Amino acid sequence: DAGVTQSPTHLIKTRGQQVTLRCSPKSGHDTVSWYQQALGQGPQFIFQYYEEEERQRGNFPDRFSGHQFPNYSSELNVNALLLGDSALYLCASSSPSRDRGHGYTFGSGTRLTVV
Amino acid sequence: AQKITQTQPGMFVQEKEAVTLDCTYDTSDPSYGLFWYKQPSSGEMIFLIYQGSYDQQNATEGRYSLNFQKARKSANLVISASQLGDSAMYFCAMREGGTNAGKSTFGDGTTLTVKP
Repeated sequence: DAGVTQSPTHLIKTRGQQVTLRCSPKSGHDTVSWYQQALGQGPQFIFQYYEEEERQRGNFPDRFSGHQFPNYSSELNVNALLLGDSALYLCASSSPSRDRGHGYTFGSGTRLTVV
Repeated sequence: AQKITQTQPGMFVQEKEAVTLDCTYDTSDPSYGLFWYKQPSSGEMIFLIYQGSYDQQNATEGRYSLNFQKARKSANLVISASQLGDSAMYFCAMREGGTNAGKSTFGDGTTLTVKP
């Protein structure tokens, strides 16, 4: 039973460029959430996708956008990269139809470095 | 606004001893869930234990237990019989509402080091 798969694992981009991160949720999960984790800090919620729509959004600028596909996989896009966007980006999947006592299943993350 | 506070940046424990990691939270929603996650150096967050706001008993999962004190808004994680593999970052998180949907808010974590 595959867990959450994220790609790529590492990425180096230049300021001003655009980046796309990808996530495949755990089998049976239909909801994908994206988090940004700066070094030494806890994850910060970016947004959540369910039924191909953004259901909830955190305090992130419009440069951050996403998409969910019919197979529940998701992409995170970041435009006009800033040095401060350097972080570990975590994808987490879940299923609202399941018992609420289940936590997220996380991927291993994408380490983005902006130079 | 929901908030999670973890006041211990780092903790040390001797192998085979128990350790308590502190977590306090703030919310105005009467229905919420509290979670603990473990993040090894590899980066992947691992779900450990869950406590619902209406649960009467403290949650337990193997060597993990959650000391839930609702009036004090605290949800401390207790790890019994610590093992070297328990060395990792530990995050407390909260999700408001009575469903499995919506965002979780995380604290800044506690780094646990288990000494042999």
